[in-house]
Amino acid sequence: ETGVTQTPRHLVMGMTNKKSLKCEQHLGHNAMYWYKQSAKKPLELMFVYSLEERVENNSVPSRFSPECPNSSHLFLHLHTLQPEDSALYLCASSQDSSSGNTIYFGEGSWLTVV
Amino acid sequence: EDQVTQSPEALRLQEGESSSLNCSYTVSGLRGLFWYRQDPGKGPEFLFTLYSAGEEKEKERLKATLTKKESFLHITAPKPEDSATYLCAVQVLYSGNTGKLIFGQGTTLQVKP
Repeated sequence: ETGVTQTPRHLVMGMTNKKSLKCEQHLGHNAMYWYKQSAKKPLELMFVYSLEERVENNSVPSRFSPECPNSSHLFLHLHTLQPEDSALYLCASSQDSSSGNTIYFGEGSWLTVV
Repeated sequence: EDQVTQSPEALRLQEGESSSLNCSYTVSGLRGLFWYRQDPGKGPEFLFTLYSAGEEKEKERLKATLTKKESFLHITAPKPEDSATYLCAVQVLYSGNTGKLIFGQGTTLQVKP
């Protein structure tokens, strides 16, 4: 079992749909993250949570809504997305959100918006 | 502006042909430099963390080094299973004591038998 598990691995949704991505970490970490990886672009940070509280929202559109009910689970709720939001969404975790900690990634959820 | 640049974008090697990947960075305060390996369709897999200039770390055929302006990932006698995209990321302070990773574009390595 990998340390960070994401579901679903693949998702196709219409622009008017509402869906959610789920992430669970089994590493006993206190910080969790959402990153976005688009074609031909570097990974970019979307959200940071530390001990279930959002630390940073990296200027992400409101059509992406994160939720962290406890330190092991993280969700990304999606609604009214655009085709340009199609990307690989990566969940990650670290011991805590302070600098210097190694961040471990899940396998990602491939999202296609049609 | 904090920036990370990796070169080359793509690299093709014959099995056993050693080479190096480069990661140059311009950041306001380096808190760590990370190397990850990413296979197609998968998430990044952690390889190394380097914290200060002069530091080196090794793992099998890989060796990472760090200077004040760049990092190198040396691959010695590569095998086809080393084929992947190698990502470099620098960690900087984002807000308070929260760290943020800034990634480069990656170097896609192909090792032919």
